[in-house]
Amino acid sequence: GIQVEQSPPDLILQEGANSTLRCNFSDSVNNLQWFHQNPWGQLINLFYIPSGTKQNGRLSATTVATERYSLLYISSSQTTDSGVYFCAVTGGTSYGKLTFGQGTILTVHP
Amino acid sequence: DTGVSQNPRHKITKRGQNVTFRCDPISEHNRLYWYRQTLGQGPEFLTYFQNEAQLEKSRLLSDRFSAERPKGSFSTLEIQRTEQGDSAMYLCASSLIGEQFFGPGTRLTVL
Repeated sequence: GIQVEQSPPDLILQEGANSTLRCNFSDSVNNLQWFHQNPWGQLINLFYIPSGTKQNGRLSATTVATERYSLLYISSSQTTDSGVYFCAVTGGTSYGKLTFGQGTILTVHP
Repeated sequence: DTGVSQNPRHKITKRGQNVTFRCDPISEHNRLYWYRQTLGQGPEFLTYFQNEAQLEKSRLLSDRFSAERPKGSFSTLEIQRTEQGDSAMYLCASSLIGEQFFGPGTRLTVL
């Protein structure tokens, strides 16, 4: 099946710093989503971005499907941005299931 | 649109007992998915339905696990003869076309 790798596994920032999270995938994708998992376990949708670039406030994402990677940019980070960020894809032979990466744990210090 | 809901939110059970979880998807969504997440890992796919048809099942879904979506609306996930290794967060998601939306999850602890 399709493989998803996220980097870095951990990221520690000071409030106000910018960061880039990367997601590499091993096959063509039909769907790519970025999530933020809060401390209670809820997965919050950030972007649905199988290709192209999107922006939402301080967050933006770019997926280059032909080169099999996606990037999530966080600008002017805040302590509330802390948590786990997941990239997940649907691709290969499956059109239904999402395959998740291992996540990036982001900690933003005041 | 009230989002995906799951019940119960927490379940503690003794090894060997059966448990059942419920998921109510976003009302117009025809696809419903179940995932499992253990500590420090990303969610892993278990199964999904399009309307009432179960279209795909993971090899993770042993014969102790069964899922149903009898009328194409809510779904139930039953685990028979629970084992300590079943302790995890069970997540449900729904979608109309591509983007999946997740519920708050049911945290299962098997003693």
